[in-house]
Amino acid sequence: EADIYQTPRYLVIGTGKKITLECSQTMGHDKMYWYQQDPGMELHLIHYSYGVNSTEKGDLSSESTVSRIRTEHFPLTLESARPSHTSQYLCASSDTPLAGKADTQYFGPGTRLTVL
Amino acid sequence: QQQVKQSPQSLIVQKGGISIINCAYENTAFDYFPWYQQFPGKGPALLIAIRPDVSEKKEGRFTISFNKSAKQFSLHIMDSQPGDSATYFCASKRSGSARQLTFGSGTQLTVLP
Repeated sequence: EADIYQTPRYLVIGTGKKITLECSQTMGHDKMYWYQQDPGMELHLIHYSYGVNSTEKGDLSSESTVSRIRTEHFPLTLESARPSHTSQYLCASSDTPLAGKADTQYFGPGTRLTVL
Repeated sequence: QQQVKQSPQSLIVQKGGISIINCAYENTAFDYFPWYQQFPGKGPALLIAIRPDVSEKKEGRFTISFNKSAKQFSLHIMDSQPGDSATYFCASKRSGSARQLTFGSGTQLTVLP
């Protein structure tokens, strides 16, 4: 069982509000990821990080921003939420694998965001 | 461009039956093929994974079959149980690559009691 946490689990807010979705892992993993997933649909990578002070945009364009000041913490921020941001946001982490091994991604439970 | 195509989108199986989910990939450099299982309200969890140096991997009731020449791999769930009802995602990656996992579109499996 992986130790990766997301808060809040559910969030309902009004348009224009600034929000931060929290993600923390206690496994010391150097890589962390944010995915966006609509219910029952595929996962789209929106941000990833290889380590502290390293962040990259993913395959799906997103208006959100991320930061990685500490290894264990990878928050996602929306400066001005809109109804189009309504979705589930999943955080994941993985370690640098040993030679010949692949890096397994461990997912948090997700934050379901609804913007009214 | 979707590099991993998954089918079917949904699957209904009777208890005790065999569930089969298929995936096809395009990038011949991929060499790691995991399957993730996701229950409602939860994040995906790694179920089983395979590398192309073997054609089959079995863990309990779950088996991955891999066909390198056809660039296809599939998940077989033997003796399917209602507790297996979940969404299943296949994924692909090139080990050691800076690129992340590429996920399929998911299959919603329902096992009827």
